[in-house]
Amino acid sequence: DVKVTQSSRYLVKRTGEKVFLECVQDMDHENMFWYRQDPGLGLRLIYFSYDVKMKEKGDIPEGYSVSREKKERFSLILESASTNQTSMYLCASSRGQDYNEQFFGPGTRLTVL
Amino acid sequence: AQKITQTQPGMFVQEKEAVTLDCTYDTSDPSYGLFWYKQPSSGEMIFLIYQGSYDQQNATEGRYSLNFQKARKSANLVISASQLGDSAMYFCAMRERGTGRRALTFGSGTRLQVQP
Repeated sequence: DVKVTQSSRYLVKRTGEKVFLECVQDMDHENMFWYRQDPGLGLRLIYFSYDVKMKEKGDIPEGYSVSREKKERFSLILESASTNQTSMYLCASSRGQDYNEQFFGPGTRLTVL
Repeated sequence: AQKITQTQPGMFVQEKEAVTLDCTYDTSDPSYGLFWYKQPSSGEMIFLIYQGSYDQQNATEGRYSLNFQKARKSANLVISASQLGDSAMYFCAMRERGTGRRALTFGSGTRLQVQP
């Protein structure tokens, strides 16, 4: 059974803290994605990666960075968390270049106080 | 301009009835794919159905079908014989081949509530 896991379901952090969100997939997928979900806005792409050490900015990369040192793991980093980064964060992965479905993790609900 | 537009923030349907969730899209790329995902209250995103821009037939998956009208740029999801378990958020999404971007662009979603 295919699986994408995220390190935490719920996270509470303070303004200014450095925050790491981890995502691991066990499907040997080339592509991995970080989305942010807010009510009324759907899912918006933060960053994606199509290979180890490769990354590309999505639509809302400001305030975030990513790391992909191994194929199965894609980390999202909030260098200095702010209250406007309170949101649901969803990781996804997919195979290859074609129109393959994306598999999603369960999400991390991050609250920044 | 919005790439994916879902104009129905919320919808109600009676159990066992059919329901159509609207989705319109905007692209100049001739090659693209359209996806529908379901998100129950537990939060996980569940893939439902896919339609390619060159597919001649409308996609179907069990009780789900996609009413694809290319000229109108619409890709509505039809759920037949609604069940209580269909209550969830539904997202329409698109991937354009020409951009080289492998990520999906999502609409804002429609919350469907199935009533007994």
